[in-house]
Amino acid sequence: QKEVEQNSGPLSVPEGAIASLNCTYSDRGSQSFFWYRQYSGKSPELIMSIYSNGDKEDGRFTAQLNKASQYVSLLIRDSQPSDSATYLCAVYSGGGADGLTFGKGTHLIIQP
Amino acid sequence: EAQVTQNPRYLITVTGKKLTVTCSQNMNHEYMSWYRQDPGLGLRQIYYSMNVEVTDKGDVPEGYKVSRKEKRNFPLILESPSPNQTSLYFCASTLQGSSYNEQFFGPGTRLTVL
Repeated sequence: QKEVEQNSGPLSVPEGAIASLNCTYSDRGSQSFFWYRQYSGKSPELIMSIYSNGDKEDGRFTAQLNKASQYVSLLIRDSQPSDSATYLCAVYSGGGADGLTFGKGTHLIIQP
Repeated sequence: EAQVTQNPRYLITVTGKKLTVTCSQNMNHEYMSWYRQDPGLGLRQIYYSMNVEVTDKGDVPEGYKVSRKEKRNFPLILESPSPNQTSLYFCASTLQGSSYNEQFFGPGTRLTVL
């Protein structure tokens, strides 16, 4: 059974600070890793993908991957109130359309 | 505009009354999936389809049916809905070979079964 674990939160961060979201996964053969943002009652929106060890930066977002530790993280710099949402970690292990496993999400609150 | 559409967006029904939730995408994606999302349980895959006439069960298929007669459409059918199928449902599509780098979700269907 493939598992993706996230702290459910809520994680409260002051505006302007760095928000750090973490995710661990069980399948050592996992290939691709994604972060989705989901506002309450809305559909998930893909914000970052990462495939190799190290950091990947896109604007205020940085994804970090450590395959040896089976660990993925998302850093949000200069956090804004509009970043308040649930962040879903998703892992692709291959095998076609059935290969994407989601974590339960971390609820992030940015305090003005 | 590239998009995944679902209908209806909201539905309240009664136990045992058959219903269909439609899903359509305009991106010519091969892969389509249905998920349900419940508090504390996250997103769980119900069924998926790798192409026309090719469907398979996900993690929670009991009580659901799907069909894929056309590439763009992937309806979700509840033959005899029960209250435990009250949930938020999402359809998603992705390009074959993209490793999910481009997965698009529909806007969601909030279903209540009384």
